[in-house]
Amino acid sequence: EAQVTQNPRYLITVTGKKLTVTCSQNMNHEYMSWYRQDPGLGLRQIYYSMNVEVTDKGDVPEGYKVSRKEKRNFPLILESPSPNQTSLYFCASSPYLDRVMGYTFGSGTRLTVV
Amino acid sequence: GNSVTQMEGPVTLSEEAFLTINCTYTATGYPSLFWYVQYPGEGLQLLLKATKADDKGSNKGFEATYRKETTSFHLEKGSVQVSDSAVYFCALSDRDTGNQFYFGTGTSLTVIP
Repeated sequence: EAQVTQNPRYLITVTGKKLTVTCSQNMNHEYMSWYRQDPGLGLRQIYYSMNVEVTDKGDVPEGYKVSRKEKRNFPLILESPSPNQTSLYFCASSPYLDRVMGYTFGSGTRLTVV
Repeated sequence: GNSVTQMEGPVTLSEEAFLTINCTYTATGYPSLFWYVQYPGEGLQLLLKATKADDKGSNKGFEATYRKETTSFHLEKGSVQVSDSAVYFCALSDRDTGNQFYFGTGTSLTVIP
């Protein structure tokens, strides 16, 4: 089944403790992206990647890092999480040259930073 | 720049009522337009799309027509069901800005029996 898999689904952590949210897709998509969803703000893009070793900032990159060493994986790293990073996070992927296919989204990761 | 504006929610309707969720856009190029749906506790799913002017996207009884003259892509359904309760997002993808996606803020729909 074609899908984007995020882990974990739920995470509670403490301020300052480094964490990684994993994202993997099995569709050979070039383009991958991370979003956060907050009430009243909709989806805001954190980082995106057009292909292996190519990443760029989205609208709200502060406090986050990403890497794209393999085509299928696009982990989101919070080096020193803070309470304002409490949010619902989504990973998404799409073919780069055929963006009219739209995104395939993961099921989300609900992160709470205390 | 590119942006998507959709009607504020929440929207509450009775079962079998007619649904319209308004969406307008601003784009520098010639975008593709999408509606995504997010059911409770799940990720976003593509509901329908349209890639050129006057195209009508449709799926699961929902429809939206790409109106270039009014820069709109309103979502409609003739008779909603309780199972349609979800958050709906309008989005665009514009090749002139590297095929980036731009999302609206989402409209929450609750359908009551």
